[in-house]
Amino acid sequence: GQNIDQPTEMTATEGAIVQINCTYQTSGFNGLFWYQQHAGEAPTFLSYNVLDGLEEKGRFSSFLSRSKGYSYLLLKELQMKDSASYLCAVMDSNYQLIWGAGTKLIIKP
Amino acid sequence: GAVVSQHPSWVICKSGTSVKIECRSLDFQATTMFWYRQFPKQSLMLMATSNEGSKATYEQGVEKDKFLINHASLTLSTLTVTSAHPEDSSFYICSAMGDSHTEAFFGQGTRLTVV
Repeated sequence: GQNIDQPTEMTATEGAIVQINCTYQTSGFNGLFWYQQHAGEAPTFLSYNVLDGLEEKGRFSSFLSRSKGYSYLLLKELQMKDSASYLCAVMDSNYQLIWGAGTKLIIKP
Repeated sequence: GAVVSQHPSWVICKSGTSVKIECRSLDFQATTMFWYRQFPKQSLMLMATSNEGSKATYEQGVEKDKFLINHASLTLSTLTVTSAHPEDSSFYICSAMGDSHTEAFFGQGTRLTVV
């Protein structure tokens, strides 16, 4: 079956760095997405990786290793507004998005 | 980035009535649209996937006769919750994807409350 695993919850300190991991097993692979979702709102796009390596976008970076079925989202210089759920999703061979359950990130002062 | 507009943002309806939710891609052609529902503190649950001009593909456990999805054009998809009941109260979110498949853009979501 298809499966996406990410931690349920993480806590970090304002100004610090946090890495949210995502491992996947899917039928084919056409890219991996990271989304941010604040409570009561729709998800917003953060990143898309289809090739191995690190994609940097401001304070956020996303890494992919297709051979390991592994990705991480790295958040630097954490701010209180980064408190949210972070969703990992993989597009399979049928271009269907398979979603992880999300990681709730709690930022403490 | 591309814009997906979902309407209404919230709706309260009486039990037994039907509610239609619209999802529009404003500046790109959405060849595929996804409909999700999300209960409080839970992750997105895919309800169905629709491709323009063809019937929607529903996920297991989702009643196609209760949740009617229409994707008649490349910019509009609608979800109609028929004969709504209080247990249908939820946050419904649409997502649209173009041919490039490199990003799925989300609508703002619709909070449905059935009383």
